[in-house]
Amino acid sequence: EAQVTQNPRYLITVTGKKLTVTCSQNMNHEYMSWYRQDPGLGLRQIYYSMNVEVTDKGDVPEGYKVSRKEKRNFPLILESPSPNQTSLYFCASSLWSGVTNEKLFFGSGTQLSVL
Amino acid sequence: ILNVEQSPQSLHVQEGDSTNFTCSFPSSNFYALHWYRWETAKSPEALFVMTLNGDEKKKGRISATLNTKEGYSYLYIKGSQPEDSATYLCAPWEYGNKLVFGAGTILRVKS
Repeated sequence: EAQVTQNPRYLITVTGKKLTVTCSQNMNHEYMSWYRQDPGLGLRQIYYSMNVEVTDKGDVPEGYKVSRKEKRNFPLILESPSPNQTSLYFCASSLWSGVTNEKLFFGSGTQLSVL
Repeated sequence: ILNVEQSPQSLHVQEGDSTNFTCSFPSSNFYALHWYRWETAKSPEALFVMTLNGDEKKKGRISATLNTKEGYSYLYIKGSQPEDSATYLCAPWEYGNKLVFGAGTILRVKS
């Protein structure tokens, strides 16, 4: 089944304790992206990647890191989480040829609480 | 950052009512417009991707139109059903590989 797998689904942590949210897709998509969703705001892009070893900042990259060592995986790293990073996070992927524009497939989301 | 506005913010309708939402975006640097449906406790799912001025897309009772020259898109739902209750997100894709989401329109359909 074609899907974007995101783990964990829920995570409670404390300020400063490094964490990683994993994201994996099995559709051979070039484009992958991380979003956060906060009440009253739209999905805001954190980082995105056009292909292996190619990543770029979105609109709210502060406090986050990503890597794209393999095409299928795009982990989100919070080196020193803070309470303002409490949010609902989504990973998404898309087929991107550089010409056509294809829909995003979303993971199931990670609800992160930083105490 | 691209300014994307969706209206109304929320909408409560009766089963059988038809409804429509608006998505407004800057018309410069436009590349494509996405619509997603996001049901509570689930992930957003794509409804439409539109690229051409005048594009019209349809999926069952839901349809969408696109005006790239004036920078807006309409989403229509004909004969709303309770299962249509969701948040509807629009997202223009501008040159530079950015898909920017609006805050969404929350639809609640009462039976």
